[in-house]
Amino acid sequence: DAGVIQSPRHEVTEMGQEVTLRCKPISGHNSLFWYRQTMMRGLELLIYFNNNVPIDDSGMPEDRFSAKMPNASFSTLKIQPSEPRDSAVYFCASSLATGTTTLNGYTFGSGTRLTVV
Amino acid sequence: GENVEQHPSTLSVQEGDSAVIKCTYSDSASNYFPWYKQELGKGPQLIIDIRSNVGEKKDQRIAVTLNKTAKHFSLHITETQPEDSAVYFCAAPSLSGSARQLTFGSGTQLTVLP
Repeated sequence: DAGVIQSPRHEVTEMGQEVTLRCKPISGHNSLFWYRQTMMRGLELLIYFNNNVPIDDSGMPEDRFSAKMPNASFSTLKIQPSEPRDSAVYFCASSLATGTTTLNGYTFGSGTRLTVV
Repeated sequence: GENVEQHPSTLSVQEGDSAVIKCTYSDSASNYFPWYKQELGKGPQLIIDIRSNVGEKKDQRIAVTLNKTAKHFSLHITETQPEDSAVYFCAAPSLSGSARQLTFGSGTQLTVLP
C-alpha cells in the first residue's frame, strides 16, 4: 500500500490566490481527516469525513476554507482567497472506523507545506 | 469534547537512558490511546496504541501505560538512540455526539544526545 498520498508537497502562492490541496486515502479506509499544523497551534483538526460525508467541520477557520470528498479515494481542501496567515503544513489522514465507539489509528500523509506571500 | 494535555514540551536525554512522556485526558468514556512520532519534514506516524481494557502494552523498546482511574497514560522509551529524536504526540478520542475523532496533545520534542 502506498499510504496516504498528498499533493503537492510544497505550494507557494500569492495572497488572494486560490489554493487546492489534494489527498488520496488508503484504500478501504472510511474516515478522512484534514489537519493544519503550525508551531503556535500544533495539530488542528479542520474537518473530517466518514463514508465521504462531512461529519464535523467546526475546525474550518472561516468561509475561505472548503473541503470535498466526491468519492472514497479522493478529497480536496480549498482555500479561496488565501492569506499569509494560512501558511502552515496541511496533513491529510485516513482511518478505518469500526462501530460507533471504536476508533483506530490514523495514517497520515506526508503533508503539504503551504506558503502564502 | 476531549481535552488532552501533554508534558513535557521538550525533553533531552543521554543516549541509552530512558524517556517518559505523560498525557492526561478529560473524557472518562475515552477508550483508545495512540502515540505518534513525527520526524522532521514528515507526517506523524503511529508507533504504539493501547485500548482501555489493558493497562500496559510493550513493543520492543517502547511501552505505553494507562491509568483509567486517574485518566492519564504515558509513553516509555528505553535504551534511547539518536534516531528516537523526534516530536511525539499522544491522542485520545472524542466520542461526544456524532464526533468520532482523535484529539492530539501539544507534542513533546525529544532530543537524544549522543
